Amino acid sequence: NAGVTQTPKFRVLKTGQSMTLLCAQDMNHEYMYWYRQDPGMGLRLIHYSVGEGTTAKGEVPDGYNVSRLKKQNFLLGLESAAPSQTSVYFCASSLTGGSAEAFFGQGTRLTVV
Amino acid sequence: AQSVTQLGSHVSVSEGALVLLRCNYSSSVPPYLFWYVQYPNQGLQLLLKYTSAATLVKGINGFEAEFKKSETSFHLTKPSAHMSDAAEYFCAVSGSGGYNKLIFGAGTRLAVHP
Repeated sequence: NAGVTQTPKFRVLKTGQSMTLLCAQDMNHEYMYWYRQDPGMGLRLIHYSVGEGTTAKGEVPDGYNVSRLKKQNFLLGLESAAPSQTSVYFCASSLTGGSAEAFFGQGTRLTVV
Repeated sequence: AQSVTQLGSHVSVSEGALVLLRCNYSSSVPPYLFWYVQYPNQGLQLLLKYTSAATLVKGINGFEAEFKKSETSFHLTKPSAHMSDAAEYFCAVSGSGGYNKLIFGAGTRLAVHP
């Protein structure tokens, strides 16, 4: 059972480079989320989606873009990476919002030098 | 708006001692509350959740939490700590309608020593 799969697992970028993180879920969930995890700050919501073709801003959306062209995939893009975007990124999905359990991927460790 | 405050970024207990991890929330609507656990180099997994059915919620691995509306709290407890409980614990809040996104606290790292 795959659940939520994130690719890549590790990446090093130079300042100014761009990249896309891919999240795929096989549970037919409506909601998908991107978080970043930094020491002492917990998980902060970057963007989320409540269904195919929809996206919404979270707590820290600046410097990131997202797309949800297919229900099972949620892409997170960094157009011009900055050292402040060095973090561990987690994708999650849930059947609905509200009281539904969120299922998490294993994370992507991104370093921007 | 919704937010979560976890008191104590690090908690250390002896094996067999009571575990108490504190969480206070703020929500403009009736909240749904969650505790998630993260083991090293892994994603998060659900321990338990409150959805208004019962104020005392039992979860996996012997953990439980009590929803106290008057105190806006949802503290996590376990009567007797095991070495395997060492991990980072996150409290989270969600709601209905326009407040349906999942917002996390800063986390509490639990250390269990012999």
